[in-house]
Amino acid sequence: GEDVEQSLFLSVREGDSSVINCTYTDSSSTYLYWYKQEPGAGLQLLTYIFSNMDMKQDQRLTVLLNKKDKHLSLRIADTQTGDSAIYFCAESINTGGFKTIFGAGTRLFVKA
Amino acid sequence: DADVTQTPRNRITKTGKRIMLECSQTKGHDRMYWYRQDPGLGLRLIYYSFDVKDINKGEISDGYSVSRQAQAKFSLSLESAIPNQTALYFCATSDLMETQYFGPGTRLLVL
Repeated sequence: GEDVEQSLFLSVREGDSSVINCTYTDSSSTYLYWYKQEPGAGLQLLTYIFSNMDMKQDQRLTVLLNKKDKHLSLRIADTQTGDSAIYFCAESINTGGFKTIFGAGTRLFVKA
Repeated sequence: DADVTQTPRNRITKTGKRIMLECSQTKGHDRMYWYRQDPGLGLRLIYYSFDVKDINKGEISDGYSVSRQAQAKFSLSLESAIPNQTALYFCATSDLMETQYFGPGTRLLVL
């Protein structure tokens, strides 16, 4: 079936790198996404990667995709307290029409 | 101005009451969605609409109904609210790449 899994919590020290991991089950995904949710707000797209890519870098963010293992990761370099939020992994799959499946979200705590 | 707006932002209601949550968007997208968020469960899709004449059930549509009044408006109704519908509700739109744009959410408490 379609499933996206990620760990629920991650705690890092300010200035360290954070790595948030995600696994998915559907191999027909076209795009994979990372969304960020700050307290009291909706989700906002952070970055995305097309399924035929294996890496994407955008300033402090690095997305790695391992299609063989169906594993997606988000690395945040030099993590700041403002990065504290919930991070959702998501994939869009084509089931005769596109559909997006979200993970449960990883809550990132950044300690000063 | 926000691209996706939701009203109300917070609502307290009693079991058995009918309530409507409204969503408007200015992004010009055809696709709109309603999700609920519960702690530890992430986002679950309630209903979605790919255009004004298209309405589809998501994974947890029981107890909910929707109306797509126009391209820009998609409302969610709880005909007879029950306590386990207490949650954070999000409306979203998407572009052709399926990138989703979320509203700020409606926090609903059913007593």
